[in-house]
Amino acid sequence: EAGVAQSPRYKIIEKRQSVAFWCNPISGHATLYWYQQILGQGPKLLIQFQNNGVVDDSQLPKDRFSAERLKGVDSTLKIQPAKLEDSAVYLCASSRQPSGNTIYFGEGSWLTVV
Amino acid sequence: DQQVKQNSPSLSVQEGRISILNCDYTNSMFDYFLWYKKYPAEGPTFLISISSIKDKNEDGRFTVFLNKSAKHLSLHIVPSQPGDSAVYFCAARGGNTGKLIFGQGTTLQVKP
Repeated sequence: EAGVAQSPRYKIIEKRQSVAFWCNPISGHATLYWYQQILGQGPKLLIQFQNNGVVDDSQLPKDRFSAERLKGVDSTLKIQPAKLEDSAVYLCASSRQPSGNTIYFGEGSWLTVV
Repeated sequence: DQQVKQNSPSLSVQEGRISILNCDYTNSMFDYFLWYKKYPAEGPTFLISISSIKDKNEDGRFTVFLNKSAKHLSLHIVPSQPGDSAVYFCAARGGNTGKLIFGQGTTLQVKP
């Protein structure tokens, strides 16, 4: 079974530029999550989708971050404009159901804002 | 307000000895606790979990203990192996959305 796929793996941009990250969850997993992990901290949930609907986006900075999952499979996370403090690893994860006991993570997309 | 805390940023143990990683939480409504392991440049991978209705769960060399009255859980690795060297995250599940709240992580180094 293929794991959660993410791209790009690494991205360096200047502040005020935009960036987009793509995620393909494990086949059959209806729930998709985007987490932000800043160096030295644990992952923090940005947004959770159930199929193509948003379940939780309470910690998503909506003035600059957006995410979509139009067909209930792939998802895109966008940051525009980027700030220095957005430098982090963006982890996509998926689970078979919202209350799944385990969530499977991708390898992450590393963003550096200079 | 950090609901899940791992107060030890790092831990170093000798190969073959026991590694004990600790985690404290503040929200008594958490119903499930998980440990994830993370190698550099990789995403976290699930290691072991425990329901809030249990106090112990064992899987091979890994055992998780839950003390609800103290709002504390710990991960025991016996015997520790050099391949166990990684960052370990404690996570707690709040409610039925599956949202996980993570601790800051503890870096474990197992010396040969």
